[in-house]
Amino acid sequence: NAGVTQTPKFQVLKTGQSMTLQCAQDMNHNSMYWYRQDPGMGLRLIYYSASEGTTDKGEVPNGYNVSRLNKREFSLRLESAAPSQTSVYFCASSPGGTGGGGEQFFGPGTRLTVL
Amino acid sequence: GENVEQHPSTLSVQEGDSAVIKCTYSDSASNYFPWYKQELGKRPQLIIDIRSNVGEKKDQRIAVTLNKTAKHFSLHITETQPEDSAVYFCAASSNRDDKIIFGKGTRLHILP
Repeated sequence: NAGVTQTPKFQVLKTGQSMTLQCAQDMNHNSMYWYRQDPGMGLRLIYYSASEGTTDKGEVPNGYNVSRLNKREFSLRLESAAPSQTSVYFCASSPGGTGGGGEQFFGPGTRLTVL
Repeated sequence: GENVEQHPSTLSVQEGDSAVIKCTYSDSASNYFPWYKQELGKRPQLIIDIRSNVGEKKDQRIAVTLNKTAKHFSLHITETQPEDSAVYFCAASSNRDDKIIFGKGTRLHILP
């Protein structure tokens, strides 16, 4: 099992450009998450999806959109990138349905720089 | 919404000594409290979790305690070793949904 995979690993964008971060899991998990990690700020939840076809906002959703394409895949889109979106982005998945979703398994992360 | 505060932000302990990291939460409905460890350049991984129906849980050198009345929980690492050097995150969640809210993390340094 690959677990949670993310692409790309690194990305440099110019202000105003758009891009989509891809995430996939092969553990048959119901819940999937997108976080951003900035120095001293911990892991902040951007969006999450408790099941296929549903998405909900987290702590910092502004400037992002998500799509739960199917049970395996959950993508994060930046429509018009800004320097404030420079960060490391982690996707995660969990079994779901147990209050808090259970143990979260993280992908390797995407390091995004917006110039 | 839920707010999780974590202290200290940095902690240095001598190898072999104990380390304690403390967290408080705001939502009285929270009932699931996991702890994640993130080594430098790697992804976070769950090391231990506790649910509100128990007050303490141990796994070898790691233990977590929970005080629901005071809304705080702590991570205890005994007999610290160099490989314990990492950033540790506490988190909290309720039965209302599948999201968890993380604290800002504690960078633990184990000194030789």
